[in-house]
Amino acid sequence: AQSVTQPDIHITVSEGASLELRCNYSYGATPYLFWYVQSPGQGLQLLLKYFSGDTLVQGIKGFEAEFKRSQSSSNLRKPSVHWSDAAEYFCAVGEAGQNFVFGPGTRLSVLP
Amino acid sequence: DTGVSQDPRHKITKRGQNVTFRCDPISEHNRLYWYRQTLGQGPEFLTYFQNEAQLEKSRLLSDRFSAERPKGSFSTLEIQRTEQGDSAMYLCASGSAGTDTQYFGPGTRLTVL
Repeated sequence: AQSVTQPDIHITVSEGASLELRCNYSYGATPYLFWYVQSPGQGLQLLLKYFSGDTLVQGIKGFEAEFKRSQSSSNLRKPSVHWSDAAEYFCAVGEAGQNFVFGPGTRLSVLP
Repeated sequence: DTGVSQDPRHKITKRGQNVTFRCDPISEHNRLYWYRQTLGQGPEFLTYFQNEAQLEKSRLLSDRFSAERPKGSFSTLEIQRTEQGDSAMYLCASGSAGTDTQYFGPGTRLTVL
């Protein structure tokens, strides 16, 4: 069965602190991996994606992610969090042109 | 660059009423996806189209739900006899067959009273 888990439901960090969010997945084939961000009441914005090659991928808004296929996992990181990063972060897996399977999300709160 | 648009952004209806949502994908994309997102959860797949053909439907898509994409461009999602459990954000995404990225619209938030 295909599934995505994000162990942390809610994370709070101080502005300027570093951030790391975790994702694990179970998928039959070799999927594409994605990180999306969703601000309150908004749709999903793609942060970055991975299929093969260098396992450290740079995304938008200063985010980067490390992908570990052997462990079916990915970590999303940002060295210094800004207040505007407060949002919900989703990990997703899927094959090209097929529907995605999303994790439950991690809600990020940022303290001033 | 016009992204994926959805209309309306918010819909409040009474239980038992029918509602219809519209999604306009990015113009060159031939695949269109519908997802449902309930509070505190990730999006769950409902159905997708390639051009005008509906290729897959999730078991979440009950008989009260119907989706169309008559000309292979915009799509509509109709919910008949709405129930309180239908309250959710309905997200539309578009992409191209054989490529890897789906681009999401802002969603339609449905509240069933």
